[in-house]
Amino acid sequence: QVQLQQSGPGLVKPSQTLSLTCAISGDSVSSNSATWNWIRQSPSRGLEWLGRTYYRSKWYNDYAVSVRSRITFNPDTSKNQFSLQLNSVTLEDTAVYYCTRVSEGRGWFDPWGQGTLVTVSS
Amino acid sequence: DIVMTQSPDSLAVSLGERATINCKSSQSVLYSSNHKNYLAWYQQKPGQPPKLLIYWASTRESGVPDRFSGSGSGTDFTLTISSLQAEDVTVYYCQQYYSTPYTFGQGTKLEIK
Repeated sequence: QVQLQQSGPGLVKPSQTLSLTCAISGDSVSSNSATWNWIRQSPSRGLEWLGRTYYRSKWYNDYAVSVRSRITFNPDTSKNQFSLQLNSVTLEDTAVYYCTRVSEGRGWFDPWGQGTLVTVSS
Repeated sequence: DIVMTQSPDSLAVSLGERATINCKSSQSVLYSSNHKNYLAWYQQKPGQPPKLLIYWASTRESGVPDRFSGSGSGTDFTLTISSLQAEDVTVYYCQQYYSTPYTFGQGTKLEIK
């Protein structure tokens, strides 16, 4: 059974960097049959897919246009986890952030991490 | 981007009655080569991540009660709860996975009448 465990701070100051990590158990971040995704949820934006990282002989990252200039995903094979960094945050980046998996040949998200409420505030 | 629009935004149904939630995509999510609709439904309870209910528009996830069913094709889809139970009162989302960026509907809040 695949499980995702998120960690990271719940409070970030404006203009600083939001960093979250998602630890994977029961699967591998370098699996050739999965992609590892970040989604956020806020009252104003609803559920918003931020992008994915995945390994197919080499590492690929796909980012949503809305955050492409500010976001980075980093897989860590030694710890079997992947991380999200979002730079230059504003109040609009306040949201619950989720990590989740998509299996090859599918497209739905399952399982999900527990979610992390990140508040951007000074 | 494919825009997903759910209706209604909220719905009040009596316990034991049928609940129907609609989801419309701005373009077809039916993949012609395999005749599959790239559409999923989720249930989200407060403080929890979304839970997968239905994929391929009509395939129930393992462990999901059979009172939940999905239907539709192309651009118009429906999630039906045949007999509403108290534990079903929460928010439901559709999601397309036909193309990235993956997108979700705005959600439908189900309430007891």
